[in-house]
Amino acid sequence: AQSVTQPDIHITVSEGASLELRCNYSYGATPYLFWYVQSPGQGLQLLLKYFSGDTLVQGIKGFEAEFKRSQSSFNLRKPSVHWSDAAEYFCAAVSGGGADGLTFGKGTHLIIQP
Amino acid sequence: ETGVTQSPTHLIKTRGQQVTLRCSSQSGHNTVSWYQQALGQGPQFIFQYYREEENGRGNFPPRFSGLQFPNYSSELNVNALELDDSALYLCASSRQPGTDYEQYFGPGTRLTVT
Repeated sequence: AQSVTQPDIHITVSEGASLELRCNYSYGATPYLFWYVQSPGQGLQLLLKYFSGDTLVQGIKGFEAEFKRSQSSFNLRKPSVHWSDAAEYFCAAVSGGGADGLTFGKGTHLIIQP
Repeated sequence: ETGVTQSPTHLIKTRGQQVTLRCSSQSGHNTVSWYQQALGQGPQFIFQYYREEENGRGNFPPRFSGLQFPNYSSELNVNALELDDSALYLCASSRQPGTDYEQYFGPGTRLTVT
């Protein structure tokens, strides 16, 4: 079955430190990959996406993600976090065709320490 | 550009009742997907509508049904509500299936079943 795994339920990072959130996928073929962020009481905002080509993709708010086919991973990174980055982060995937909808991981809750 | 809107924001229903949630898609988008997000979980795909027809469905029972209207807005109907239906219901709009797979989410409707 197709699945997306985010191994870390919670991550705590000091403000100004770097961040990496992990995401692994299990699909027959490389899916289309996304990272979304959800602030409390809010909907989901798209941070970035990977469809094909360059394996390092840039997104909004200073985030980037690297696709590694050999590891079935799509990890999200940010060089220096801000207190406003505290939120829930979701990795998602969809296979070609799109009619199955996005498959989401369970999310990683990011806590920023002052 | 108008984003995805959902109504109502919050809703409280009793077990066994029926509920209708509404969604207006982002301008330029003709596809609507619905997701259920239980507390502490990632969103789960319910179904997708394109050209007023169901275009794909997740693992949800038939008491979850939907509609899409000519203006691309959509409704999610849930019959015979169960306590486990308590969740945040998210609507997402996108362009034609198979184009860019980017989905843009509304703020959600929080449904509580007592």
